[in-house]
Amino acid sequence: RKEVEQDPGPFNVPEGATVAFNCTYSNSASQSFFWYRQDCRKEPKLLMSVYSSGNEDGRFTAQLNRASQYISLLIRDSKLSDSATYLCVVLRSNDYKLSFGAGTTVTVRA
Amino acid sequence: EAGVAQSPRYKIIEKRQSVAFWCNPISGHATLYWYQQILGQGPKLLIQFQNNGVVDDSQLPKDRFSAERLKGVDSTLKIQPAKLEDSAVYLCASSRLGPGQSEQYFGPGTRLTVT
Repeated sequence: RKEVEQDPGPFNVPEGATVAFNCTYSNSASQSFFWYRQDCRKEPKLLMSVYSSGNEDGRFTAQLNRASQYISLLIRDSKLSDSATYLCVVLRSNDYKLSFGAGTTVTVRA
Repeated sequence: EAGVAQSPRYKIIEKRQSVAFWCNPISGHATLYWYQQILGQGPKLLIQFQNNGVVDDSQLPKDRFSAERLKGVDSTLKIQPAKLEDSAVYLCASSRLGPGQSEQYFGPGTRLTVT
């Protein structure tokens, strides 16, 4: 089983729609969680860290469910510029190793 | 603030040839990472340096890959000899502190094609 698993999508949504997707992790010792955004043929960039209580940054909301070992990302009022691959990243507490998921592709259409 | 610089941006080589990639991290960043990203997959950590010391190279195929970070600044990653399955984007990243303690900034990557 992969350490970090994501639904690859693609999620095709119209502008203005809400889209949400999850990431599951297998190592219960994981302590920190992040969402990165990667545009086509570009490098990943940090979108947001995920805090235990859940956090919001503008139109983006991240949630953490430790009991079920998943994190989620919700995008409200989707913009064309939100089209990208969203990478889930998990940090293990025992050896401080970062593991990346394969990414979820979101395409926002006009 | 200048970002992470990498060169070359693209490289095409034949199998069994050698290739080297260069990375210049953001000034003052102690931690430097090399990742391999195969098409359709997430980045996979190859090696992590803290200043000029290796912290983690458990996923580096040491029979053909080598990396160094002399003087704790620039770094080079070498593949010798290359195999077809080495075709990927090689990403360099740096952070001020260790993993999870501060944001990782990625360079634009080197796209390697092995024919």
